[in-house]
Amino acid sequence: ILNVEQSPQSLHVQEGDSTNFTCSFPSSNFYALHWYRWETAKSPEALFVMTLNGDEKKKGRISATLNTKEGYSYLYIKGSQPEDSATYLCAFSRYGGSQGNLIFGKGTKLSVKP
Amino acid sequence: NTGVTQTPKFRILKIGQSMTLQCTQDMNHNYMYWYRQDPGMGLKLIYYSVGAGITDKGEVPNGYNVSRSTTEDFPLRLELAAPSQTSVYFCASSYSSGLGGTEAFFGQGTRLTVV
Repeated sequence: ILNVEQSPQSLHVQEGDSTNFTCSFPSSNFYALHWYRWETAKSPEALFVMTLNGDEKKKGRISATLNTKEGYSYLYIKGSQPEDSATYLCAFSRYGGSQGNLIFGKGTKLSVKP
Repeated sequence: NTGVTQTPKFRILKIGQSMTLQCTQDMNHNYMYWYRQDPGMGLKLIYYSVGAGITDKGEVPNGYNVSRSTTEDFPLRLELAAPSQTSVYFCASSYSSGLGGTEAFFGQGTRLTVV
């Protein structure tokens, strides 16, 4: 069974705090790791897609790193703002998997208090 | 581009009824997907399509059917609704991603309740 584990399940921070989440995935036959941001009542939106070990990507105050050898990715948010409140999903795909089949974690729900 | 559009947004079905969830995208993406999300669980792939006329089963296909007659449309059919199909359904599309190497664009979801 292929599982993607995300931790923590939920997180409450104050405005201005920096925070990070973890996504763990099976490292064998890895192909790509995705991060999505999902606001309530909206559709998930892609933040990053990473494929190479050591990849680091950044979009504004949000950045992500990837370690394919040990099977984890970190998502960092610097100086959290209330508008960052959302569920952050990670998903991975692998060689030999069903075409286009992203295996999703359950998400980390972030709440940022003003 | 308006992206991925799903209809309806909400629906209540009685056990045994049938319905079709509509999904259309205007980004000329070749890959399209249907996911479901149950409370406390990750998104699970129901069916996917790599192009018009080609569909294949995902992880949880039982109780569903799909068709892909055009690049734009990928409807999901529930033939005999069961309470186990109560879920939130998401349609998504991506461009030429045989192994999930490009981002997926999601619709806003359909919340289906079967009573």
